[in-house]
Amino acid sequence: KNEVEQSPQNLTAQEGEFITINCSYSVGISALHWLQQHPGGGIVSLFMLSSGKKKHGRLIATINIQEKHSSLHITASHPRDSAVYICAVQRGGSNYKLTFGKGTLLTVNP
Amino acid sequence: DAGVIQSPRHEVTEMGQEVTLRCKPISGHNSLFWYRQTMMRGLELLIYFNNNVPIDDSGMPEDRFSAKMPNASFSTLKIQPSEPRDSAVYFCASSLDSLFNEQFFGPGTRLTVL
Repeated sequence: KNEVEQSPQNLTAQEGEFITINCSYSVGISALHWLQQHPGGGIVSLFMLSSGKKKHGRLIATINIQEKHSSLHITASHPRDSAVYICAVQRGGSNYKLTFGKGTLLTVNP
Repeated sequence: DAGVIQSPRHEVTEMGQEVTLRCKPISGHNSLFWYRQTMMRGLELLIYFNNNVPIDDSGMPEDRFSAKMPNASFSTLKIQPSEPRDSAVYFCASSLDSLFNEQFFGPGTRLTVL
């Protein structure tokens, strides 16, 4: 079993819809990262969080440490949000290593 | 700031050849990471450096892979000899020397070994 599991693997939405991508992990962590990767493109860090909730524009990330679960929400989705969203966890202690989920491919249709 | 710079962006080579990938981290960042991304395995950490010293190279696949960081502004990942199964996108990332700092990724090098 992978240490980091994302769901769904693929998600298709209509422009304007509210989107949720989930991430569950099985190890103790010091932080969780959400990354975005456009097709054929580079990787951009969206959020790094260790508790609670963070918001940036239309993106919201939440984490529940007790339940080992995080969600990434996109409000009022737009075709330019189409990308792969990757969850990654940073283990506890002084370890900088990231363990990545397989990613969720989001397609937002106009 | 220009961000993390990687070169080349694309590399096509024949099996058995030596391949060298280059990375310039963001100025002031003390940690540097090399990742490999494939369809089958997703993103995997190969090696990371802190203050130019390799801290963890447990992700380096085998002796054909080597990485160096001669100074704070430059790192290389070398594959010798290359094999078709090394075909992947290789990303370099850097971060400030702190546990709770995000990593900034370069644009990646797409390597194809024929």
